[in-house]
Order: sequence, then C-alpha cells, then structure tokens
Amino acid sequence: KNEVEQSPQNLTAQEGEFITINCSYSVGISALHWLQQHPGGGIVSLFMLSSGKKKHGRLIATINIQEKHSSLHITASHPRDSAVYICAVNYGGSQGNLIFGKGTKLSVKP
Amino acid sequence: EPEVTQTPSHQVTQMGQEVILRCVPISNHLYFYWYRQILGQKVEFLVSFYNNEISEKSEIFDDQFSVERPDGSNFTLKIRSTKLEDSAMYFCASSWGTRQETQYFGPGTRLLVL
Repeated sequence: KNEVEQSPQNLTAQEGEFITINCSYSVGISALHWLQQHPGGGIVSLFMLSSGKKKHGRLIATINIQEKHSSLHITASHPRDSAVYICAVNYGGSQGNLIFGKGTKLSVKP
Repeated sequence: EPEVTQTPSHQVTQMGQEVILRCVPISNHLYFYWYRQILGQKVEFLVSFYNNEISEKSEIFDDQFSVERPDGSNFTLKIRSTKLEDSAMYFCASSWGTRQETQYFGPGTRLLVL
C-alpha cells in the first residue's frame, strides 16, 4: 500500500528556533510536495521536489530519493509559521493525484 | 495572481439530498482534481479530470459522485444522495500538467450532512 508517513505529528517551538519536519514514503515517486494548511483550512503549495533541494525565503526542502525521505526546514521560526505542514506525493503510476501524509501541526510561541 | 475559487464556502444539507460543489480552476490549467478532508483526518484524493473525462478516481469516488466541466470555466462535483459520512471539507485543485507540476488549491467547501 502506498503510504506517506510524517514526523513529528505535533511540534511546539519558540520563536527563532530551527525546525525540521520529516516525511517518508514507501514506493517510487515522480514528485513530492510540501503544503501548508492554515487554521481556516486553506491549502497552499510550498514546494514541489523530484530531487535535491529547494529554498524559498526561510523555508528549505530536501529530498533523498534513494532513502525515500524528505525534510522541510524552517529557519528563524516565527509565530506566523504556525500551521499544519503536509507532505504529499505523486506515485510513479498515478496521473497526478496526490497521496497525503497526516500532517505536522506546528505551533511557534513568541 | 490567478487563484482557484470554490462556491459555496459552506453548505448544510439533509441526508439523501443532492449537492453540487462548484470550482473555477485557474484559466490555463488543464488538469483538475477533487480532494476531501474529513474533520481531523488527512486529505484524500477523490478524482482527477483531463480533456473532459475522468483520468483517475479513488475507491471513495463511487456511483454517488460525479464530476463535470459544463462550460469552459466551471468544474463541479455532484453528490447524488448525501450520507452523514460525506460531511467533510472538499477541495478543488488544478495544475498545468500532471506528475511533476504544482497543484493550486481552492479554499474549500465545508459540507455538513445532517
């Protein structure tokens, strides 16, 4: 069965801390996505990766295809980063549909 | 910046009623998706749509569900006879391509079936 596992489930950090959220998946993929879900429910795409590393502002996403693992890092975290961060993958045989992890709920305290 | 829109934002319906959820994808996108998220659970894929036909669907997408692109802009999800367990947030998404393309999500429709 195609599974996407995220850790930790919940994460509380102090403002300014460096944060890492991990994602692992079970079979070959064509792409991995990191998404942010706001408290109101809206989903925003942060990154789409098929190899290597991407950076956008204070966010960095990496992927290791051999180990079937990806990480999302947030540098200098801020209370406005508080949200649920979701890892999702396109499996190789799919036509683009995403398989989602359960998400990591991040709370950054001032 | 172009965005995916969805209407209504909230809908309350009685069990057994039909509901239609509407989405306007980004105008030059070619691939359209419906996902749902039951409260407290992960987001689940329902169906993908390309070139006016379903390209892939999940086990959740049974005969009670249908999708349509009635004109050049709208993309709809119909639930024929709603059940209590259909209560969820429904997200529409669109993308230019498939496997290695960013998907853009709408704000969601929160459906409550009583």
